[in-house]
Amino acid sequence: GQNIDQPTEMTATEGAIVQINCTYQTSGFNGLFWYQQHAGEAPTFLSYNVLDGLEEKGRFSSFLSRSKGYSYLLLKELQMKDSASYLCAVRESDDKLIFGTGTRLQVFP
Amino acid sequence: EAGVVQSPRYKIIEKKQPVAFWCNPISGHNTLYWYRQNLGQGPELLIRYENEEAVDDSQLPKDRFSAERLKGVDSTLKIQPAELGDSAVYLCASSPREGRAVNTEAFFGQGTRLTVV
Repeated sequence: GQNIDQPTEMTATEGAIVQINCTYQTSGFNGLFWYQQHAGEAPTFLSYNVLDGLEEKGRFSSFLSRSKGYSYLLLKELQMKDSASYLCAVRESDDKLIFGTGTRLQVFP
Repeated sequence: EAGVVQSPRYKIIEKKQPVAFWCNPISGHNTLYWYRQNLGQGPELLIRYENEEAVDDSQLPKDRFSAERLKGVDSTLKIQPAELGDSAVYLCASSPREGRAVNTEAFFGQGTRLTVV
């Protein structure tokens, strides 16, 4: 069956680094996405991984290990505006895009 | 370039009434998704279209939900009759597809927040 697990909530301090983990068990694998969603707004794309390793994009990086069914999103130099939900999503082999429940991150001054 | 447009943004209806949501995807995007998102949860896929064909509707509660994408562009999602448990945000997303290329993200609309009272 399909299962994508993320922590429900995390807190961090402005300027710090936070790592949000995601583990998945899905029907095939065609890539993993991270989305950011502010309260009351639409999810917006952050990163995409299909091969093992680290993808860096400014303050955000995403890592994938396909053999372990594991990914993380790393946020550096946290800012107050980074307070949001972070959604891990897997595209299965039939192109279905499945989302985890999301991790709500609160950044404190 | 305009993003995914959904309407209405908000809808309040009484239970047992019908409701419809409309989505205009990004121009040229073949793939269209409808998701339902409950508060504090991730989006749950309801139906996925490739052009005008519904290629995955396994999660759509077909006794009360229906969807169409007649010309492979705009799409509507309907609930009839609505129940209290249908209160949620209904998100539409689209993505381009060229051949078997799938390494493209889905772009989301702002969603329709439905409240059934």
